[in-house]
Amino acid sequence: NAGVTQTPKFQVLKTGQSMTLQCAQDMNHEYMSWYRQDPGMGLRLIHYSVGAGITDQGEVPNGYNVSRSTTEDFPLRLLSAAPSQTSVYFCASRPTGAALTIYFGEGSWLTVV
Amino acid sequence: GEDVEQSLFLSVREGDSSVINCTYTDSSSTYLYWYKQEPGAGLQLLTYIFSNMDMKQDQRLTVLLNKKDKHLSLRIADTQTGDSAIYFCAETRTGFQKLVFGTGTRLLVSP
Repeated sequence: NAGVTQTPKFQVLKTGQSMTLQCAQDMNHEYMSWYRQDPGMGLRLIHYSVGAGITDQGEVPNGYNVSRSTTEDFPLRLLSAAPSQTSVYFCASRPTGAALTIYFGEGSWLTVV
Repeated sequence: GEDVEQSLFLSVREGDSSVINCTYTDSSSTYLYWYKQEPGAGLQLLTYIFSNMDMKQDQRLTVLLNKKDKHLSLRIADTQTGDSAIYFCAETRTGFQKLVFGTGTRLLVSP
């Protein structure tokens, strides 16, 4: 059982480049989300989805796009990377309504130079 | 996480008790959580408390909730070096659709 899988684990981008962070879960969870983690600021919600075809913005959505074409996948796209997007990104999933059982991926370390 | 606040750092000696504090702002939060993050890893759910409870004990962990002051604390008894990590409190909002995290407290346990 793979759980929540994120790729890549590490990435260096140049300012202005675009890229996609992949997130996949094999637990048939309806709810998926992306967070970014910065020192002294905890985890901040970027985007979330309550099911295939449905996405919504979190606290810090600017500069990021998401889509949810399948239940399993929830990619996060950086449209034009900026140094302010240097961070650690976490994907998470859970069944709808089950507030307790939230599963996190292992994180993706992104550096924008 | 700007609405959920924690102190950034706590240092204790092995065998002592650790108390990590958290203040939150949303009085309608139904669940409040404590997560642990070890270096280079994701977040692991440690424990949680329902908003209608004042206290919950789970082995070495004790969670206290003061709804009037919107204050949550995590007490770790007999702290071990393996407890060194970052601890996050979190609250649910918008009918469980959003999990809002605090800033995190880095716990350092020295021998």
